[in-house]
Amino acid sequence: QKEVEQNSGPLSVPEGAIASLNCTYSDRVSQSFFWYRQYSGKSPELIMSIYSNGDKEDGRFTAQLNKASQYVSLLIRDSQPSDSATYLCAVTRADRDDKIIFGKGTRLHILP
Amino acid sequence: EPEVTQTPSHQVTQMGQEVILRCVPISNHLYFYWYRQILGQKVEFLVSFYNNEISEKSEIFDDQFSVERPDGSNFTLKIRSTKLEDSAMYFCASSKFPYEQYFGPGTRLTVT
Repeated sequence: QKEVEQNSGPLSVPEGAIASLNCTYSDRVSQSFFWYRQYSGKSPELIMSIYSNGDKEDGRFTAQLNKASQYVSLLIRDSQPSDSATYLCAVTRADRDDKIIFGKGTRLHILP
Repeated sequence: EPEVTQTPSHQVTQMGQEVILRCVPISNHLYFYWYRQILGQKVEFLVSFYNNEISEKSEIFDDQFSVERPDGSNFTLKIRSTKLEDSAMYFCASSKFPYEQYFGPGTRLTVT
């Protein structure tokens, strides 16, 4: 069983619409959850972190966490062409918070 | 805004040669990491380093790999005898606490 699973995409969303990215994880003791954005050929860029159940909003981004369902999502409102990238879901375990486990990422394409 | 820097941006080496990848973490960060990403694959954890010692390493981080913090600013990854399968992007990351890791731009290692 893969530790962090994401749909590889591509996910195509019209400009101005809401993009919804999903992720599931297998380890129930996972404690910290992150979304990174990675442009082609570039390094991962941290855009959101979430640690407790519920929603966390930061500008156009909202992260949602449901530990009972082992599910984390990222919503991007008012999608812009510059949001076109691969979005990496990442988790750490409570006992080893320094090791991030990444999913393979979802490619997002915003259609102008 | 402070950022992690890495040198060189691209390193070409022959199989069996030693390489040293260099990183300058964000200055007030205490936790340091190396990750790698083989082309088209997910980002993989290699090693974490805190208080001048390795705190965790993955199964990838075998005896051919070593890390060092030779002074107050640099953090290096050494691969003693490179193999073809070591070709990848190598990312250094740092964090103030053991989460929310910030990545450098990466070094592309090509082993021929």
